[in-house]
Amino acid sequence: ETGVTQSPTHLIKTRGQQVTLRCSSQSGHNTVSWYQQALGQGPQFIFQYYREEENGRGNFPPRFSGLQFPNYSSELNVNALELDDSALYLCASSLPGVNTEAFFGQGTRLTVV
Amino acid sequence: GIQVEQSPPDLILQEGANSTLRCNFSDSVNNLQWFHQNPWGQLINLFYIPSGTKQNGRLSATTVATERYSLLYISSSQTTDSGVYFCASAGGSEKLVFGKGMKLTVNP
Repeated sequence: ETGVTQSPTHLIKTRGQQVTLRCSSQSGHNTVSWYQQALGQGPQFIFQYYREEENGRGNFPPRFSGLQFPNYSSELNVNALELDDSALYLCASSLPGVNTEAFFGQGTRLTVV
Repeated sequence: GIQVEQSPPDLILQEGANSTLRCNFSDSVNNLQWFHQNPWGQLINLFYIPSGTKQNGRLSATTVATERYSLLYISSSQTTDSGVYFCASAGGSEKLVFGKGMKLTVNP
């Protein structure tokens, strides 16, 4: 059974640029959620994808967008990067429903300069 | 939405000591998880425990859903237990709401 994998592990971008982060879900999991973790804080929910559609969104602006593919993998896209977007981005996969355990990848550390 | 509070925010122990981490949540929950975040940032699942008690080696957890709290017990702590511990809960929606975390330092 393969776990959740994310790529890249580290990334440096310039303010105003766009970035794409990728996530492969754990085998058998069809629901993917993305979280942003600023330094010294707990992760904050960005959005969730289920059956290739957005299934819930946190308090993040539209320049944060995502995709889910038929194989359940997912992308997080951030446009017009701002310095405050510097954070650890975590992807979690789970089975659908509220009573299911989420499993996280190792994260992508994004630095915006 | 649900609010999650963890206490204490920081804890320093000597190796071999026991500790209890507490997580309070503001509403009824369908999901409660405990995680250990390793130095590289990955969240390691410790327990999925929306109610009841579970044990895994030196770690155990109890959630009393009716009183809206969960406890994580670490017995005979080791230096490798150091790191940040998070609890996270979910209510009617599927998003996990995390506490601010508890930094544990275990000294040799």
